[in-house]
Amino acid sequence: NAGVTQTPKFQVLKTGQSMTLQCAQDMNHEYMSWYRQDPGMGLRLIHYSVGAGITDQGEVPNGYNVSRSTTEDFPLRLLSAAPSQTSVYFCASRPDRSINQPQHFGDGTRLSIL
Amino acid sequence: AQSVAQPEDQVNVAEGNPLTVKCTYSVSGNPYLFWYVQYPNRGLQFLLKYITGDNLVKGSYGFEAEFNKSQTSFHLKKPSALVSDSALYFCAVRALTASSGGYQKVTFGIGTKLQVIP
Repeated sequence: NAGVTQTPKFQVLKTGQSMTLQCAQDMNHEYMSWYRQDPGMGLRLIHYSVGAGITDQGEVPNGYNVSRSTTEDFPLRLLSAAPSQTSVYFCASRPDRSINQPQHFGDGTRLSIL
Repeated sequence: AQSVAQPEDQVNVAEGNPLTVKCTYSVSGNPYLFWYVQYPNRGLQFLLKYITGDNLVKGSYGFEAEFNKSQTSFHLKKPSALVSDSALYFCAVRALTASSGGYQKVTFGIGTKLQVIP
Protein backbone atom coordinates (compact mmCIF):
# COMPACT_ATOMS: atom_id res chain seq x y z
CA ASN A 1 0.00 0.00 0.00
CA ALA A 2 1.22 3.49 -0.83
CA GLY A 3 -0.99 5.00 1.88
CA VAL A 4 -1.85 8.66 1.30
CA THR A 5 -0.16 10.22 -1.73
CA GLN A 6 -0.02 13.97 -2.30
CA THR A 7 1.11 15.77 -5.44
CA PRO A 8 2.87 18.01 -6.09
CA LYS A 9 5.40 18.12 -3.24
CA PHE A 10 6.32 21.75 -3.93
CA GLN A 11 4.61 24.55 -5.82
CA VAL A 12 5.12 28.26 -6.34
CA LEU A 13 2.21 30.34 -7.56
CA LYS A 14 1.58 33.95 -8.33
CA THR A 15 -1.21 35.82 -6.59
CA GLY A 16 -4.49 35.22 -8.39
CA GLN A 17 -3.53 31.93 -9.98
CA SER A 18 -5.56 28.81 -9.34
CA MET A 19 -4.40 25.28 -8.83
CA THR A 20 -5.43 21.88 -7.54
CA LEU A 21 -3.60 19.90 -4.90
CA GLN A 22 -4.06 16.20 -5.42
CA CYS A 23 -4.63 13.60 -2.72
CA ALA A 24 -5.18 9.88 -3.21
CA GLN A 25 -5.39 7.00 -0.76
CA ASP A 26 -5.40 3.28 -1.50
CA MET A 27 -6.69 2.04 1.86
CA ASN A 28 -10.42 2.32 1.07
CA HIS A 29 -10.82 4.87 3.86
CA GLU A 30 -14.16 6.63 4.14
CA TYR A 31 -12.95 9.78 5.86
CA MET A 32 -10.55 12.23 4.26
CA SER A 33 -9.44 15.67 5.37
CA TRP A 34 -7.31 18.59 4.31
CA TYR A 35 -5.23 20.55 6.82
CA ARG A 36 -2.86 23.45 6.59
CA GLN A 37 0.15 23.69 8.86
CA ASP A 38 1.52 27.09 9.79
CA PRO A 39 4.25 27.92 12.34
CA GLY A 40 2.86 28.40 15.82
CA MET A 41 -0.64 27.37 14.78
CA GLY A 42 -0.50 23.61 14.52
CA LEU A 43 -2.81 21.96 12.02
CA ARG A 44 -6.06 23.60 11.02
CA LEU A 45 -8.85 21.77 9.24
CA ILE A 46 -9.83 23.21 5.85
CA HIS A 47 -12.39 20.73 4.49
CA TYR A 48 -13.31 17.15 5.12
CA SER A 49 -15.31 14.33 3.57
CA VAL A 50 -17.11 11.43 5.23
CA GLY A 51 -17.55 9.52 1.98
CA ALA A 52 -17.80 9.83 -1.78
CA GLY A 53 -20.10 12.69 -2.70
CA ILE A 54 -20.13 14.17 0.83
CA THR A 55 -17.97 17.11 1.85
CA ASP A 56 -18.13 19.78 4.53
CA GLN A 57 -16.22 22.81 5.74
CA GLY A 58 -13.65 22.81 8.48
CA GLU A 59 -12.42 25.80 10.46
CA VAL A 60 -10.58 27.66 7.66
CA PRO A 61 -12.46 26.92 4.40
CA ASN A 62 -12.40 30.33 2.73
CA GLY A 63 -10.59 30.37 -0.60
CA TYR A 64 -10.64 26.60 -0.99
CA ASN A 65 -12.97 24.12 -2.68
CA VAL A 66 -13.10 20.33 -2.51
CA SER A 67 -14.95 17.49 -4.16
CA ARG A 68 -15.08 13.75 -3.55
CA SER A 69 -16.23 11.89 -6.64
CA THR A 70 -14.48 8.64 -5.66
CA THR A 71 -13.45 7.02 -2.39
CA GLU A 72 -9.78 7.26 -3.37
CA ASP A 73 -9.40 10.90 -4.40
CA PHE A 74 -9.94 14.16 -2.53
CA PRO A 75 -8.50 17.15 -4.45
CA LEU A 76 -8.20 20.61 -2.92
CA ARG A 77 -8.66 23.60 -5.20
CA LEU A 78 -7.32 27.08 -4.61
CA LEU A 79 -9.62 29.39 -6.52
CA SER A 80 -7.51 32.56 -6.58
CA ALA A 81 -4.26 32.20 -4.68
CA ALA A 82 -3.35 34.78 -2.05
CA PRO A 83 -0.08 35.20 -0.10
CA SER A 84 -1.98 34.24 3.09
CA GLN A 85 -2.38 30.77 1.61
CA THR A 86 1.35 30.16 1.69
CA SER A 87 1.53 27.08 3.87
CA VAL A 88 2.17 23.37 4.03
CA TYR A 89 -0.93 21.37 3.14
CA PHE A 90 -1.58 17.89 4.43
CA CYS A 91 -4.16 15.37 3.35
CA ALA A 92 -5.24 12.73 5.86
CA SER A 93 -7.55 9.76 5.89
CA ARG A 94 -9.02 7.34 8.40
CA PRO A 95 -11.04 4.19 7.93
CA ASP A 96 -14.48 5.21 9.17
CA ARG A 97 -16.39 7.11 11.79
CA SER A 98 -14.96 5.10 14.67
CA ILE A 99 -13.73 7.71 17.10
CA ASN A 100 -10.68 5.71 18.14
CA GLN A 101 -9.10 5.50 14.70
CA PRO A 102 -5.91 7.52 14.11
CA GLN A 103 -5.39 9.41 10.89
CA HIS A 104 -2.96 8.56 8.11
CA PHE A 105 -1.19 11.57 6.62
CA GLY A 106 0.45 12.25 3.30
CA ASP A 107 3.87 13.92 3.14
CA GLY A 108 2.43 17.31 2.32
CA THR A 109 2.49 19.94 -0.41
CA ARG A 110 4.63 22.98 0.29
CA LEU A 111 2.95 25.94 -1.38
CA SER A 112 4.34 29.45 -1.79
CA ILE A 113 2.24 32.30 -3.13
CA LEU A 114 4.18 35.29 -4.44
CA ALA B 1 -15.09 23.90 22.41
CA GLN B 2 -12.26 21.44 22.71
CA SER B 3 -8.63 22.51 22.93
CA VAL B 4 -5.13 21.15 23.33
CA ALA B 5 -2.18 22.89 24.92
CA GLN B 6 1.45 21.96 24.44
CA PRO B 7 3.14 24.44 26.78
CA GLU B 8 6.70 23.95 25.53
CA ASP B 9 7.78 25.04 22.07
CA GLN B 10 10.96 23.00 22.42
CA VAL B 11 12.32 20.33 24.72
CA ASN B 12 16.02 19.58 24.86
CA VAL B 13 17.28 16.34 26.38
CA ALA B 14 20.58 14.51 26.40
CA GLU B 15 20.77 11.17 24.63
CA GLY B 16 20.08 8.34 27.07
CA ASN B 17 18.10 10.53 29.46
CA PRO B 18 14.35 10.18 29.97
CA LEU B 19 12.15 12.59 28.07
CA THR B 20 8.72 14.09 28.66
CA VAL B 21 6.66 16.13 26.22
CA LYS B 22 3.68 17.76 27.91
CA CYS B 23 0.08 17.96 26.73
CA THR B 24 -3.08 19.15 28.44
CA TYR B 25 -6.55 19.13 26.95
CA SER B 26 -10.06 20.47 27.41
CA VAL B 27 -13.14 18.67 26.10
CA SER B 28 -16.77 18.07 26.94
CA GLY B 29 -17.25 14.37 27.47
CA ASN B 30 -14.74 11.56 27.32
CA PRO B 31 -11.51 12.40 25.50
CA TYR B 32 -9.82 10.28 22.88
CA LEU B 33 -6.18 11.31 22.85
CA PHE B 34 -3.46 10.81 20.28
CA TRP B 35 0.23 11.54 19.84
CA TYR B 36 1.78 11.98 16.41
CA VAL B 37 5.38 12.57 15.34
CA GLN B 38 6.53 14.59 12.34
CA TYR B 39 10.00 14.28 10.85
CA PRO B 40 11.33 17.00 8.52
CA ASN B 41 9.52 17.21 5.19
CA ARG B 42 7.20 14.37 6.14
CA GLY B 43 3.59 14.01 7.22
CA LEU B 44 2.44 13.19 10.74
CA GLN B 45 2.85 9.60 11.88
CA PHE B 46 0.69 8.01 14.55
CA LEU B 47 2.54 7.07 17.77
CA LEU B 48 -0.08 6.04 20.28
CA LYS B 49 -3.59 6.66 21.52
CA TYR B 50 -5.65 6.61 24.70
CA ILE B 51 -9.22 5.42 24.36
CA THR B 52 -10.15 3.90 27.70
CA GLY B 53 -8.74 1.57 30.32
CA ASP B 54 -5.16 1.58 31.55
CA ASN B 55 -3.86 5.09 32.06
CA LEU B 56 -0.40 4.16 30.77
CA VAL B 57 -0.43 3.62 27.04
CA LYS B 58 2.47 2.13 25.11
CA GLY B 59 3.14 2.98 21.49
CA SER B 60 5.68 2.88 18.68
CA TYR B 61 9.46 3.37 19.01
CA GLY B 62 9.45 2.84 22.80
CA PHE B 63 7.20 5.81 23.54
CA GLU B 64 4.48 5.75 26.15
CA ALA B 65 1.99 8.26 27.48
CA GLU B 66 0.23 8.70 30.78
CA PHE B 67 -3.40 9.77 30.89
CA ASN B 68 -4.34 11.76 33.99
CA LYS B 69 -8.02 12.62 34.10
CA SER B 70 -7.88 14.88 37.14
CA GLN B 71 -5.11 16.98 35.61
CA THR B 72 -6.52 16.66 32.08
CA SER B 73 -3.07 15.73 30.85
CA PHE B 74 -1.62 13.22 28.43
CA HIS B 75 2.16 13.56 28.63
CA LEU B 76 4.39 11.67 26.21
CA LYS B 77 7.37 9.87 27.74
CA LYS B 78 10.32 7.70 26.84
CA PRO B 79 12.75 6.17 29.34
CA SER B 80 15.87 6.70 27.24
CA ALA B 81 16.03 9.25 24.42
CA LEU B 82 17.72 8.60 21.09
CA VAL B 83 19.11 11.19 18.70
CA SER B 84 16.75 9.76 16.09
CA ASP B 85 13.80 10.81 18.31
CA SER B 86 14.49 14.44 17.40
CA ALA B 87 11.32 15.61 15.63
CA LEU B 88 8.13 17.62 16.06
CA TYR B 89 5.50 16.03 18.30
CA PHE B 90 1.79 16.77 18.19
CA CYS B 91 -0.85 15.96 20.75
CA ALA B 92 -4.45 15.69 19.51
CA VAL B 93 -7.86 15.21 21.08
CA ARG B 94 -11.14 14.00 19.70
CA ALA B 95 -14.41 13.84 21.58
CA LEU B 96 -17.89 12.52 20.98
CA THR B 97 -19.89 15.64 20.21
CA ALA B 98 -22.79 16.37 17.92
CA SER B 99 -21.52 17.39 14.50
CA SER B 100 -22.65 17.18 10.91
CA GLY B 101 -22.49 13.77 9.34
CA GLY B 102 -21.11 12.12 12.46
CA TYR B 103 -17.63 13.55 11.90
CA GLN B 104 -15.80 13.94 15.17
CA LYS B 105 -13.50 16.91 14.89
CA VAL B 106 -9.94 16.39 16.04
CA THR B 107 -8.02 19.29 17.56
CA PHE B 108 -4.23 19.39 17.36
CA GLY B 109 -1.80 21.17 19.61
CA ILE B 110 0.73 23.52 18.05
CA GLY B 111 3.51 20.97 18.39
CA THR B 112 6.65 20.59 20.50
CA LYS B 113 10.07 20.29 18.95
CA LEU B 114 12.14 17.62 20.64
CA GLN B 115 15.89 17.97 20.32
CA VAL B 116 17.98 15.06 21.60
CA ILE B 117 21.58 16.11 22.12
CA PRO B 118 24.31 13.50 21.51
